[in-house]
Amino acid sequence: AQTVTQSQPEMSVQEAETVTLSCTYDTSESDYYLFWYKQPPSRQMILVIRQEAYKQQNATENRFSVNFQKAAKSFSLKISDSQLGDAAMYFCASSNYGGSQGNLIFGKGTKLSVKP
Amino acid sequence: GAGVSQSPRYKVAKRGQDVALRCDPISGHVSLFWYQQALGQGPEFLTYFQNEAQLDKSGLPSDRFFAERPEGSVSTLKIQRTQQEDSAVYLCASSQGVRLEQFFGPGTRLTVL
Repeated sequence: AQTVTQSQPEMSVQEAETVTLSCTYDTSESDYYLFWYKQPPSRQMILVIRQEAYKQQNATENRFSVNFQKAAKSFSLKISDSQLGDAAMYFCASSNYGGSQGNLIFGKGTKLSVKP
Repeated sequence: GAGVSQSPRYKVAKRGQDVALRCDPISGHVSLFWYQQALGQGPEFLTYFQNEAQLDKSGLPSDRFFAERPEGSVSTLKIQRTQQEDSAVYLCASSQGVRLEQFFGPGTRLTVL
């Protein structure tokens, strides 16, 4: 079975600083994607960044970047120049496409607080 | 354009009641997913539709849960004889295709008393 583990229930960062959220996953598939989703309080989940497993280059989206270590099955999210609006629950997720419908498998989430 | 919408946003049910949760996906999105998010947990997959066909219902926790998407657009998740353990946020997501980004709705928070 495919699993996603987030070992940090809560993290805190000072505004304008950098924070890294950890995620490990387990899959036997070769064709999969990895995602980070943001879920602000009482607001809907939005995609932050995604990584295709066959690509070696780490994905980046403005202040958000990932460190994808395929052999170690690690997929961490780095947020640079943290802003108050970054405060939210962050979920790491994976999705298999080899013979499946592409449903997402989520970790339990990391609650990120940003201090002014 | 409009995003994914869900109604009602909040639902309180007495144990044993039936409930129906609605999802309006983004227009033209063929793929539709339902997830259940218990308090303090990540979402868990329930079921998947491609157009009107329910291709995967492996995540439905019991036969009290039933989902449909008869015309390939709006979907309804029905829970019969609700139990306290059904209390959760039910999320709907849609996408243009399997490998494409899933857009989530705001969810329906179900509380079973």
